[in-house]
Amino acid sequence: AQSVTQLGSHVSVSEGALVLLRCNYSSSVPPYLFWYVQYPNQGLQLLLKYTSAATLVKGINGFEAEFKKSETSFHLTKPSAHMRDAAEYFCAVSVYGGNKLVFGAGTILRVKS
Amino acid sequence: DTGVSQDPRHKITKRGQNVTFRCDPISEHNRLYWYRQTLGQGPEFLTYFQNEAQLEKSRLLSDRFSAERPKGSFSTLEIQRTEQGDSAMYLCASSLAPDPGYTFGSGTRLTVV
Repeated sequence: AQSVTQLGSHVSVSEGALVLLRCNYSSSVPPYLFWYVQYPNQGLQLLLKYTSAATLVKGINGFEAEFKKSETSFHLTKPSAHMRDAAEYFCAVSVYGGNKLVFGAGTILRVKS
Repeated sequence: DTGVSQDPRHKITKRGQNVTFRCDPISEHNRLYWYRQTLGQGPEFLTYFQNEAQLEKSRLLSDRFSAERPKGSFSTLEIQRTEQGDSAMYLCASSLAPDPGYTFGSGTRLTVV
């Protein structure tokens, strides 16, 4: 079965600092991996996805993630945090064409001015 | 393309009552998914449809829950005899197979009192 572990339920960074949100996955077959962002009382918005092409994936709003098979990781980064990045971020894994996503518990990102 | 629409946005109901939620997916999408999200957790898969066929149901979907997608377009999720433990955000998403990326709606927040 697939699973996702997000290290750190809360991450706090200063505006302009590097954002690093950690995600490790478990899957017995090559996975598809996703990062979603959720603002309060809203649905989830897709930031980026890895589907076995390039291991470095660029997404919206300046975010990117790198698939590292040897480390079973898919960490999300952004070089410079903005106040508007404050939200909850979810990593997810799926197999077999994405019929079902398994989500991590989420990481709340706080951006300090 | 107006995105995935969910109605209502909020629902407060008394324990024991039945509730029904509606989801209108992106019109050209053939897959529709229901997820449940409780406070502080990532979304959990409930069920999904390809066109009008319900192809998978989670064990989370007890016999009090039923989902339909009668004409392969909109879908409804009904919860009978609601319990306080049903209080959650119910999220709908759609996709066009084989693209594994979903588009989520804004969700229906259910509160059972």
